[in-house]
Amino acid sequence: GQQLNQSPQSMFIQEGEDVSMNCTSSSIFNTWLWYKQEPGEGPVLLIALYKAGELTSNGRLTAQFGITRKDSFLNISASIPSDVGIYFCAGLNGSGNTGKLIFGQGTTLQVKP
Amino acid sequence: EAGVVQSPRYKIIEKKQPVAFWCNPISGHNTLYWYLQNLGQGPELLIRYENEEAVDDSQLPKDRFSAERLKGVDSTLKIQPAELGDSAVYLCASSLGGPYSGANVLTFGAGSRLTVL
Repeated sequence: GQQLNQSPQSMFIQEGEDVSMNCTSSSIFNTWLWYKQEPGEGPVLLIALYKAGELTSNGRLTAQFGITRKDSFLNISASIPSDVGIYFCAGLNGSGNTGKLIFGQGTTLQVKP
Repeated sequence: EAGVVQSPRYKIIEKKQPVAFWCNPISGHNTLYWYLQNLGQGPELLIRYENEEAVDDSQLPKDRFSAERLKGVDSTLKIQPAELGDSAVYLCASSLGGPYSGANVLTFGAGSRLTVL
C-alpha cells in the first residue's frame, strides 16, 4: 500500500535551534497536513497545504507542499521546550469516497532547555 | 466548543474478552473516522462514516471488529474477542465534510488506550 516516509525518525536539539523534518512518498498527494501529538493526546493540526508549491506559516512553523506533490517539509524556528512531541505528516489522495488520509510514522522531537 | 470526546480513556482486558469504545464527534461534523495507532506508528484508518453510512471500511478486520454510528452522531467501535495484538490506541476523529469536500480537516479525540493481557 501507499506509504509516507518521514525523516528524521527522532531529533534531540537545544532550545533556540531551528528544526527541519520532511515527508516523502512514491505517490502523488493532493493535500498535505502536518499534525503534532503530545503524550496521551490525539494529533492536533498544525498546518494544511492544498496546492503544489504552497508555502504556509503558522507562527514559528513553516511548511511547504512539494512541487512534485510527492513530498512536504516542516520547519520550526527558534525551538522552545513546548515544541516537544511527535510530528506527523499526512497525505490525502484518491477522489470522492475513495479519498484517504495516510499518515507517516512520525518524527519525535525533544528539546533540551 | 467541545472537541471530539472519547471514552474510556484507558481499558485493560484479558484476551478473548469483548471491549467497546465510544466517540462523540464535534457538533455538526458529518464525517467520523476511527483510527488505530500502534506504539511508535502513525494512525491508520479503520473506518470512515459519512453520516450513518460506512463509506470506507476496507481496513476494518471484520471478523472481530465492528462499528456503528446510529443517527449519524455518536459512534461505537467494538472488538470481540480481543487479541493480544489489539493493544493500541484507538483514535476517533471528525470533520465537517469528507476527504474532498473542502472541509476535510480532521479533529482528533484524545484516544482510548487498550491493553490486552
